[in-house]
Amino acid sequence: GEQVEQRPPHLSVREGDSAIIICTYTDSATAYFSWYKQEAGAGLQLLMSVLSNVDRKEEQGLTVLLNKKDKRLSLNLTAAHPGDSAVYFCAVSPTQVVGQLTFGRGTRLQVYA
Amino acid sequence: EAAVTQSPRNKVAVTGGKVTLSCNQTNNHNNMYWYRQDTGHGLRLIHYSYGAGSTEKGDIPDGYKASRPSQENFSLILELATPSQTSVYFCASGDRGGRDTQYFGPGTRLLVL
Repeated sequence: GEQVEQRPPHLSVREGDSAIIICTYTDSATAYFSWYKQEAGAGLQLLMSVLSNVDRKEEQGLTVLLNKKDKRLSLNLTAAHPGDSAVYFCAVSPTQVVGQLTFGRGTRLQVYA
Repeated sequence: EAAVTQSPRNKVAVTGGKVTLSCNQTNNHNNMYWYRQDTGHGLRLIHYSYGAGSTEKGDIPDGYKASRPSQENFSLILELATPSQTSVYFCASGDRGGRDTQYFGPGTRLLVL
């Protein structure tokens, strides 16, 4: 089955700096890619999702890059602020399987002033 | 706004006891999911459902049963709880097949003594 590796497990950046989180996956049939944010004591919230026909998507200071050749997905927070401190998860799924997301293990991001 | 609620939010159970975790969604989504979240493992899928009356095994179903009596409600049942089932449990709903954005509840923290 699908294997997703996420790195780094912990990331600490200064306010205003960028933070980059990377996931690699194994199944070439993977067609749906998403990033979730989990704040302390809460459930996961979708940040952004892309389909396999999209290489780059930007929204509100977030950039998602998809490299299908290398089976790599990344999330870039271009100017992090303390409110971005949370745990971030990538999640992927093939289109032929209903809603079965495979999650990465998470990256704990801390943004300090 | 999409709403997924879980009850209880915190539960202490004894080994061998029966535990029922409840989830309610007002999104009118067909698909619902139960995950557990453990340090170092990210989220792992326990059971899921395509609609009322259906339950399917996820990646780690052993020791758990699920029940979907209605579109809105999805329960996770631990018939004989064990300490290894101490975890945080998340319910989610979604409705777009392979492009399934999942909406998560706030989680239930379960401690089995």
